[in-house]
Amino acid sequence: EPEVTQTPSHQVTQMGQEVILRCVPISNHLYFYWYRQILGQKVEFLVSFYNNEISEKSEIFDDQFSVERPDGSNFTLKIRSTKLEDSAMYFCASRGRGAGEQYFGPGTRLTVT
Amino acid sequence: DQQVKQNSPSLSVQEGRISILNCDYTNSMFDYFLWYKKYPAEGPTFLISISSIKDKNEDGRFTVFLNKSAKHLSLHIVPSQPGDSAVYFCAASLYNQGGKLIFGQGTELSVKP
Repeated sequence: EPEVTQTPSHQVTQMGQEVILRCVPISNHLYFYWYRQILGQKVEFLVSFYNNEISEKSEIFDDQFSVERPDGSNFTLKIRSTKLEDSAMYFCASRGRGAGEQYFGPGTRLTVT
Repeated sequence: DQQVKQNSPSLSVQEGRISILNCDYTNSMFDYFLWYKKYPAEGPTFLISISSIKDKNEDGRFTVFLNKSAKHLSLHIVPSQPGDSAVYFCAASLYNQGGKLIFGQGTELSVKP
């Protein structure tokens, strides 16, 4: 069964460093998303991406964040200068055409020290 | 952002009995609702969904009910099994606006043998 994959599973970085989180969505899906979950809190939407551009972004997704689909398979989230409060689980999700359900990857745990 | 609420942080049920998880929402424009199951350190797993034009959708042991006038949905699991023990999130989306999901806070279900 097709699944969304994410790498790395755990990333530890120092405050101010850049990180890139990687995702491989389900191959025939067209809509891509990033969410995050801070420990003990709800899953929050960050950004949606369709047709090679951002379709919507949340208030959290400020200038420090960017997304890219560099080739036909990968979907990346970059945080340029990490802050302590960026520590969270980051989930990638994808959705097919005409479908409402999104399928999530296993997540990347980002720890900023 | 409290557009989707799950007011019960936890629920304990005996194996074989019915589990009922509840969710309320405030935005009457939501047109698609979903339930996800989540284990610690894993991504949300899609369970079942319902369009706003329906009031019930069933898939095996899982049934979702939607009451639009009350802005309320519920997930019924019958019969409950110990393997159902997890955190359950309801989510809502505006399908024609990129489909971002807005999650509730989650309800931790414990099914006791």
